[in-house]
Amino acid sequence: GQNIDQPTEMTATEGAIVQINCTYQTSGFNGLFWYQQHAGEAPTFLSYNVLDGLEEKGRFSSFLSRSKGYSYLLLKELQMKDSASYLCAVSPSNDYKLSFGAGTTVTVRA
Amino acid sequence: DGGITQSPKYLFRKEGQNVTLSCEQNLNHDAMYWYRQDPGQGLRLIYYSQIVNDFQKGDIAEGYSVSREKKESFPLTVTSAQKNPTAFYLCASSTYTDNEQFFGPGTRLTVL
Repeated sequence: GQNIDQPTEMTATEGAIVQINCTYQTSGFNGLFWYQQHAGEAPTFLSYNVLDGLEEKGRFSSFLSRSKGYSYLLLKELQMKDSASYLCAVSPSNDYKLSFGAGTTVTVRA
Repeated sequence: DGGITQSPKYLFRKEGQNVTLSCEQNLNHDAMYWYRQDPGQGLRLIYYSQIVNDFQKGDIAEGYSVSREKKESFPLTVTSAQKNPTAFYLCASSTYTDNEQFFGPGTRLTVL
């Protein structure tokens, strides 16, 4: 089975940095996705990590450690529009389905 | 523009009625998925399909049914057997070679 944990909520100030952690225990591992979901809307793709290390994409970066079963999403220079839920999803090696964490709701305050 | 469409965006149903949610994609993706999302929870897989005329149960298939008669279409029926059907339903699709899933805008179902 799959076990994916991430914090329920985080609050930060506009312009600050927030780090969302995700730990996983899965039967096989291909890679890890991060999706952003605004309230009432569809999730949209942010990043996909397969190899260990940090991948930077503008204000957003994602890190993966396969040996530790750990990933984080780093949001820099926070903007009000970054207030959303961030979903961690694991792609098992023996399946093309994704297993999703419960999501972390980030609230950005002025 | 390629994408996934779901209709309707909001749906109201009386208890005891079956209702079908539409999902269409023109991305030429082979795999399609249905998820349910409840407030404060992640996505739970209902059904998925790898190929036309074939589909498998996900983690919470009870009370739901699907069909895959065309590559582009994967409708979900919420039956009266589903005990707590009020939720946000999301459809997604992907290729075999790339696990990234693309999502439709969702249908919010409310049972009155």
